[in-house]
Amino acid sequence: DAKTTQPNSMESNEEEPVHLPCNHSTISGTDYIHWYRQLPSQGPEYVIHGLTSNVNNRMASLAIAEDRKSSTLILHRATLRDAAVYYCILSRTSGTYKYIFGTGTRLKVLA
Amino acid sequence: DSGVTQTPKHLITATGQRVTLRCSPRSGDLSVYWYQQSLDQGLQFLIQYYNGEERAKGNILERFSAQQFPDLHSELNLSSLELGDSALYFCASSEEGAPSDTQYFGPGTRLTVL
Repeated sequence: DAKTTQPNSMESNEEEPVHLPCNHSTISGTDYIHWYRQLPSQGPEYVIHGLTSNVNNRMASLAIAEDRKSSTLILHRATLRDAAVYYCILSRTSGTYKYIFGTGTRLKVLA
Repeated sequence: DSGVTQTPKHLITATGQRVTLRCSPRSGDLSVYWYQQSLDQGLQFLIQYYNGEERAKGNILERFSAQQFPDLHSELNLSSLELGDSALYFCASSEEGAPSDTQYFGPGTRLTVL
C-alpha cells in the first residue's frame, strides 16, 4: 500500500532555506502530493500540493521528482513561526484510503 | 481560524461508554473528513462525507460511525470505548471533496477514556 516516509526531525537557522524531503516510492499515477503542517496545540494547516509539476505559493515551494517517487518542500526563509510538524500526504483517488499520512518531520528553527 | 468548529473541546469518559463528537464545516464546504491523532499511531484518516453521502473510508473501527446531516454538519459516534481510543479527533472540510482539494482543519476534540 502507498505510504510516505519522512525524517523524524530537522533543524534550521532562522532566515535560511529549509528543504524537507519525503519519499513516496509506491505512489500511484493519480495520487496527489500534499503538505500540511501542524503547529503546537493546533489542527493541521494546508501548505501546498501538486500532482506532477513543481508548485510555488506564498508559503513554500514543492519540488516533485520526475518519477514522482519523492518530493521536497522548500521553505525559502525559515522563521520561528515555521516551527511545526510537517506532514507529507498522498491523496488517493481509488481504493480504500483517501489520505495517507506519513509520520511527519518536526522542524526546529533556531534563532 | 479555519472556519471549522468542533465541539466539545475536551471530553473525559469511561471505558464502555459512548460519545458523540460534532463538527461544523466552513461555510460553503460540502465535504467533511474525520481524523484520529494518537501518540502511537500518528494522524490517521477515518472517513469522508460529501453532501450527506459517505465518499471514502479509512481506518475506522466498527465501533465508530459517522454521518453528515442535511445542514452539512457532521457527527462522529464512538461506542464501547476503550483506553486506546484516547486521542485527538480532528474534523476537516473542503469545497468539493476532491483529492486535489485543500482541507481546512478544526481545532480538534481531545477524548480521554479512563
